[in-house]
Amino acid sequence: AQTVTQSQPEMSVQEAETVTLSCTYDTSENNYYLFWYKQPPSRQMILVIRQEAYKQQNATENRFSVNFQKAAKSFSLKISDSQLGDTAMYFCALGEAGTALIFGKGTTLSVSS
Amino acid sequence: DTEVTQTPKHLVMGMTNKKSLKCEQHMGHRAMYWYKQKAKKPPELMFVYSYEKLSINESVPSRFSPECPNSSLLNLHLHALQPEDSALYLCASSQFSGGALTDTQYFGPGTRLTVL
Repeated sequence: AQTVTQSQPEMSVQEAETVTLSCTYDTSENNYYLFWYKQPPSRQMILVIRQEAYKQQNATENRFSVNFQKAAKSFSLKISDSQLGDTAMYFCALGEAGTALIFGKGTTLSVSS
Repeated sequence: DTEVTQTPKHLVMGMTNKKSLKCEQHMGHRAMYWYKQKAKKPPELMFVYSYEKLSINESVPSRFSPECPNSSLLNLHLHALQPEDSALYLCASSQFSGGALTDTQYFGPGTRLTVL
C-alpha cells in the first residue's frame, strides 16, 4: 500500500535561514509523481513544487527546491531565504495513475523575524 | 489562470437542513474532486469526477451527495448532517492526461461548514 510519511510535525526557522522538510514514501509503482503543497493560515492549499519520478533532475521553483532520492524513496523540500509568508502547513503527496492522491500528515512551519 | 472558486465561504446549518456547496473552474480540467479537511489534518478524499462521471467514491455517507452538471461545475449536496461533519470542504480540479489522476491538482479556498 502506498504511504507518505512526514516525520516532523512542527518546525521553526528564522527569516533568511534555510530549512528542510522531510518526506518519505512507499510505492510499488515505477511511474508516479510527488508534490509539495503549502496551506497557510488562510487555508487555501497551494502547489509549491512537483516532481516526476522518471526525471532524475531535482525540481526547483525560485526559493523552493527538492532533493529527490528515488532509491531511498525520499523527497525533501528545501526552502531558502525563508520569509514570514512561508509560515504554513506543508503537505507532501504521492500521485499514482488511477488512485487518489496520498497525503502525508503535514509539517507546520513557523517563520519568525 | 489556475483559479478554482467555491461558494459559500462559510456555512452554518442545522442537522435537518438541506444545503449545497458549489465549485467552479474554467481551466478546461476534466477531473474534479471533493475533499474534507479537519483542522491540522491532511485533506481526506471524498469523491472524484472524471469527464463528469463519478469515478471514485471513498465510502462517503449518503448524506453527502455529489453532482457534476458539466465540466466546469461540481456541487456537493448536504442533508441531515451530523455535528462531526463540521470541517473545511475543499474542491480541486486537474487535467486528466491519458486517463491518469497524477496531474497537479489545483485547490479552491474551501467552504468552512459548521453543523449545529
